[in-house]
Amino acid sequence: GQSLEQPSEVTAVEGAIVQINCTYQTSGFYGLSWYQQHDGGAPTFLSYNALDGLEETGRFSSFLSRSDSYGYLLLQELQMKDSASYFCAVRDRLDNQGGKLIFGQGTELSVKP
Amino acid sequence: EPEVTQTPSHQVTQMGQEVILRCVPISNHLYFYWYRQILGQKVEFLVSFYNNEISEKSEIFDDQFSVERPDGSNFTLKIRSTKLEDSAMYFCASSEVGGISTDTQYFGPGTRLTVL
Repeated sequence: GQSLEQPSEVTAVEGAIVQINCTYQTSGFYGLSWYQQHDGGAPTFLSYNALDGLEETGRFSSFLSRSDSYGYLLLQELQMKDSASYFCAVRDRLDNQGGKLIFGQGTELSVKP
Repeated sequence: EPEVTQTPSHQVTQMGQEVILRCVPISNHLYFYWYRQILGQKVEFLVSFYNNEISEKSEIFDDQFSVERPDGSNFTLKIRSTKLEDSAMYFCASSEVGGISTDTQYFGPGTRLTVL
């Protein structure tokens, strides 16, 4: 089967740094994406890794190790508005027909004052 | 900034009734998707659509489901005879190009379907 594992919930305080891990097992792998979702609203794209290493976008960074089938999302200088669910997602095919995203179960991040 | 829109935001229906969920993808996008999310669970892929035909569908997308692009802007998901277990949030997504790994899928705000 295809599966992505991530912690169900994480709690941190304002200003802190938090890391959300994701391990995956999929039939194909064409990149790991991270999405943020507030209160069941639209998943919003945060970051993408196709190759090993760290990608930085402002306060958010994402890391990928394809040999370990592992990635993480790093959130720095946490703010209250970062309280949300975070999903990792793998794209499992790459052709001109598109490619679906396979999502993890999501990690609920609670930021405390 | 362009965005995916969906209507209605909330649909309540009786079991066995037909529902049509509507989406307007971002205008220059060519690839369209439907996903669903049962309350408290992960987002699940239903179907992808390109060049006026289904390119991939999941096991969830059985004969009760259909998709259509009736004109140049709308993309619809029809459920012919709803079941209680169809109650979920349905998200439409679109992407500009599908053949490159860096292509990003943009999600709409969702339609919450409640089947009674």
